[in-house]
Amino acid sequence: AQTVTQSQPEMSVQEAETVTLSCTYDTSESDYYLFWYKQPPSRQMILVIRQEAYKQQNATENRFSVNFQKAAKSFSLKISDSQLGDAAMYFCAYRSAWGGATNKLIFGTGTLLAVQP
Amino acid sequence: GAGVSQSPSNKVTEKGKDVELRCDPISGHTALYWYRQSLGQGLEFLIYFQGNSAPDKSGLPSDRFSAERTGGSVSTLTIQRTQQEDSAVYLCASSIITGGRGEKLFFGSGTQLSVL
Repeated sequence: AQTVTQSQPEMSVQEAETVTLSCTYDTSESDYYLFWYKQPPSRQMILVIRQEAYKQQNATENRFSVNFQKAAKSFSLKISDSQLGDAAMYFCAYRSAWGGATNKLIFGTGTLLAVQP
Repeated sequence: GAGVSQSPSNKVTEKGKDVELRCDPISGHTALYWYRQSLGQGLEFLIYFQGNSAPDKSGLPSDRFSAERTGGSVSTLTIQRTQQEDSAVYLCASSIITGGRGEKLFFGSGTQLSVL
């Protein structure tokens, strides 16, 4: 079974600085998808960024980028020029790409990010 | 609607009572998921509906939990004889299955269930 591990329960960053959130996963599959979701106090999960495992190029969305290391099964999120609105819980998630498998996401336990003004 | 709608937003119940949680997905979304988020935990998969296919119930923690989806739209998650360990946020999500599996899930704001 696949697992997702986030080893940083809490992180803090100064406004305008850069922070990296860590995520590792375990799988025997070669094709899958990885995601970072943000959960603000409103509780609504918001997709931040997505990575396809067969793509070597790291995904980027504005100030958010990932460092995807397939061999190491590592998928970290870098937030540049941090803003107060980035403060939230961040979840790393995995989904199998195999046909026939449920499309369910497997989540890590989350990292609570605080942004200091 | 514009997004995934869940009701109620908060629910307080007494141990042993039954509760029903409702999810109204985005119109046209064929896939619907229920997740449970306990304090300090990640999101735990409960059940998945896709079109007219049999649901994947592999994540339901006990037979006290059940869910149905009527007419391929609204879904209800029912918890019978609630226990204190059922206290959690219950999140619903929907998506359009396009053939690939990297499609975006749209989440509701969840129902905070508190069992006293």
